[in-house]
Amino acid sequence: DGGITQSPKYLFRKEGQNVTLSCEQNLNHDAMYWYRQDPGQGLRLIYYSQIVNDFQKGDIAEGYSVSREKKESFPLTVTSAQKNPTAFYLCASSKPGQGGEKLFFGSGTQLSVL
Amino acid sequence: GQNIDQPTEMTATEGAIVQINCTYQTSGFNGLFWYQQHAGEAPTFLSYNVLDGLEEKGRFSSFLSRSKGYSYLLLKELQMKDSASYLCVLGGGGNKLTFGTGTQLKVEL
Repeated sequence: DGGITQSPKYLFRKEGQNVTLSCEQNLNHDAMYWYRQDPGQGLRLIYYSQIVNDFQKGDIAEGYSVSREKKESFPLTVTSAQKNPTAFYLCASSKPGQGGEKLFFGSGTQLSVL
Repeated sequence: GQNIDQPTEMTATEGAIVQINCTYQTSGFNGLFWYQQHAGEAPTFLSYNVLDGLEEKGRFSSFLSRSKGYSYLLLKELQMKDSASYLCVLGGGGNKLTFGTGTQLKVEL
């Protein structure tokens, strides 16, 4: 079955540490996205990628970095520069051009600071 | 910019009907989505309205009025598993999605 997989489900970060969240999809979607979800707030876009080897900053990109070396993979690194990283992180994909704004989400990663 | 308002919480009884409203202010958008999200899980797509009117899909229906800046999600024959957060989302094309804060629905016996 096609889908989008995030790992790990739970992640803990120490002060000054970079951590990487994994996102893999086998839906053959061109576009992939990273969102951050905080209690009482709507999802906010961190980074997105419309095609391999290209990505763009979203609304809250500071303290985060991404790569898109393969169509299937879009890992997110939370760097030590992100001072408030505790949140639920959601990866999503879509296939623009075919009603593609419909997003397919992964099951999320809850990141907490130790 | 875009702004979306939806109630924070609602409570309804199993078997009943509930309507979750969403009002928005925007300079333009392609369509309006509704997603369902259970706690700690991924949002899942429910509906997408482009034109004004009612879209029915099983127990769930969604309505859009562009002139009034208004949408609602109607859930019929409520079940306990419908307890979740319901997200109203404006679609502006590709990455240009604006998410509401969600309405937490609690279904009681």
